[in-house]
Amino acid sequence: EVQLVESGGGLVQPGGSLRLSCAASGFTFSTYAMSWVRQAPEKGLEWVSAISDSADNTYYADSVRGRFTISRDNSKNTLYLQMNSLRAEDTAIYYCAKAKYYSNSLLRSLGASDYWGQGTLVTVSS
Amino acid sequence: DIQMTQSPSSLSASVGDRVTITCRASQDITDYLAWFQQKPGKAPKSLIYAASSLHSGVPSKFSGSGSGTDFTLTISGLQPEDFATYYCQQYNGYPLTFGGGTKVEIK
Repeated sequence: EVQLVESGGGLVQPGGSLRLSCAASGFTFSTYAMSWVRQAPEKGLEWVSAISDSADNTYYADSVRGRFTISRDNSKNTLYLQMNSLRAEDTAIYYCAKAKYYSNSLLRSLGASDYWGQGTLVTVSS
Repeated sequence: DIQMTQSPSSLSASVGDRVTITCRASQDITDYLAWFQQKPGKAPKSLIYAASSLHSGVPSKFSGSGSGTDFTLTISGLQPEDFATYYCQQYNGYPLTFGGGTKVEIK
């Protein structure tokens, strides 16, 4: 059974940092690209970042580029999101999602993500 | 960025109804469109990819269609567990972008 378990969320002051983790199990983590998607309170879904299976390629939304860094440790089956210079507008539940390979294209596989974690809440407030 | 517009933003329906949700892209995305279901307080659940392909385990009462800029999600025989918010997402280009969501409520 595929499981994705996020952790690391919490309350942080504006300008602060936080590192989120997503522990994966039930599939061969090292062969799948992964994404982070967030949802601000009472708002819709927003794609944040993605990383290829080997970590050779990373992608970011403009709203987080230069502040957030996605990475992965395939030996630990874990995905990360390092968040720096946090702002109030980064307050959200952060979900990790597993890509589904149905194409040779990384983008297509990311878009067809098939499993999501339960999310971890990040609150940026003084 | 590609803008995704869903309509309606909410709808009321009865158990057993057939409902249709529309998603329009601001440019041609061929069939690179996914649909997700989200219940209150829960993570999104993946329903459909490539506009019309069901993910494993998704019941056949869900169906998707469309290509280019106009897409639909149809739910046949609405059941109590189907009352939720539904989102479309394009993946024709970065950044991946979602529609604003359609809340399906009980009439």
